[in-house]
Amino acid sequence: NSKVIQTPRYLVKGQGQKAKMRCIPEKGHPVVFWYQQNKNNEFKFLINFQNQEVLQQIDMTEKRFSAECPSNSPCSLEIQSSEAGDSALYLCASSLGVAEQFFGPGTRLTVL
Amino acid sequence: GQQVQQSPSSLVLQEGENAELQCNFSSTATQLQWFYQSPGGSLVSLLSNPSGTKHTGRLTSTTVTKERRSSLHISSSQTTDSGTYLCAIDPQDNYAQGLTFGLGTRVSVFP
Repeated sequence: NSKVIQTPRYLVKGQGQKAKMRCIPEKGHPVVFWYQQNKNNEFKFLINFQNQEVLQQIDMTEKRFSAECPSNSPCSLEIQSSEAGDSALYLCASSLGVAEQFFGPGTRLTVL
Repeated sequence: GQQVQQSPSSLVLQEGENAELQCNFSSTATQLQWFYQSPGGSLVSLLSNPSGTKHTGRLTSTTVTKERRSSLHISSSQTTDSGTYLCAIDPQDNYAQGLTFGLGTRVSVFP
């Protein structure tokens, strides 16, 4: 039912390397969210955008992650210097706002 | 503490049995969603149900907002229903900090 596209599906990086993943939200959805799901099934909200502007981001995202949602291009989330603890499933979602969120298939990051 | 609590944590069913999954939340929420997560990780929105009762296919969700609880009923379970069911709320009611998820109920359906 979701038309959110995420690439790549799997990403393997060494510690200290950059890791970049992309998301194309559903057409017409102005709000994009990034979440991290760890191996214990815990979800963490990372950052969200309304159109191209950041709405909220957590401390971790401010310090080690960079993210953007340029117009007419995929949104992206990049970890500047990967750590073992960053190994997780990264999920992108989009919505109309205060409304149902639709998720992509995720990018599974493994940091060796 | 955990803002969204789901029970049971896991459930084993024989094909054809019904199941009831519970979600309790500690803050008010005007947005509540039930999701299915496949073993591969993909998250599918099943129902958006902040209040009342909603149906889709073999699924029925009932949310009692004042009591801060929601349930998901699966009728006539099938092996393809196996996976993790997640409940999530928007605690800020304005999508500013995204959804808060429970830890899920892992459902296994055997033939």
